[in-house]
Amino acid sequence: KAGVTQTPRYLIKTRGQQVTLSCSPISGHRSVSWYQQTPGQGLQFLFEYFSETQRNKGNFPGRFSGRQFSNSRSEMNVSTLELGDSALYLCASSLTRYNYGYTFGSGTRLTVV
Amino acid sequence: QKEVEQDPGPLSVPEGAIVSLNCTYSNSAFQYFMWYRQYSRKGPELLMYTYSSGNKEDGRFTAQVDKSSKYISLFIRDSQPSDSATYLCAMSYNTGTASKLTFGTGTRLQVTL
Repeated sequence: KAGVTQTPRYLIKTRGQQVTLSCSPISGHRSVSWYQQTPGQGLQFLFEYFSETQRNKGNFPGRFSGRQFSNSRSEMNVSTLELGDSALYLCASSLTRYNYGYTFGSGTRLTVV
Repeated sequence: QKEVEQDPGPLSVPEGAIVSLNCTYSNSAFQYFMWYRQYSRKGPELLMYTYSSGNKEDGRFTAQVDKSSKYISLFIRDSQPSDSATYLCAMSYNTGTASKLTFGTGTRLQVTL
């Protein structure tokens, strides 16, 4: 059974650019959450999607957005990149929204220069 | 002050030792408590999950929650070099926020031969 797949694994972008990250959840999983991981702040929740609708949102500026497609695949977008956006972005999926069995992908390492 | 505090380590122990990892938290509304293990260049994987106060054991791992002290612990018995990883505590308020976890920053553990 394939796990959560995140693409690309590594990305280097310039300040001011925008970036789109992709997440393919485990087959059958309908809830997808996104987290940002940095050495100083640890993992911080960005948002959660279920049935193509955003259900929960963390405390991040509007530059961070996401969406979910009908096949449960999800993308997150960061516009007007800042140096502080450099982080590991992790996606996690679960069968439903109400259990703690979220499986994480290996993440996308974003570096903003 | 962060809602969840965790000593970043690193914590170095010899093989076979008992390891104690801890987190403190400030929000008494947290009811669900988890421990994740994260290997280098990988996403976190769920180790243990407990609801409210009490102990839970799974093989060499024991999770303890003391809600009166707002303190949670993970004990690893007979530690192995393969246990070397970063351990993250996480918590949430209720199943409606199962997708929105609040994490500690992680403790890096090194088990030496």
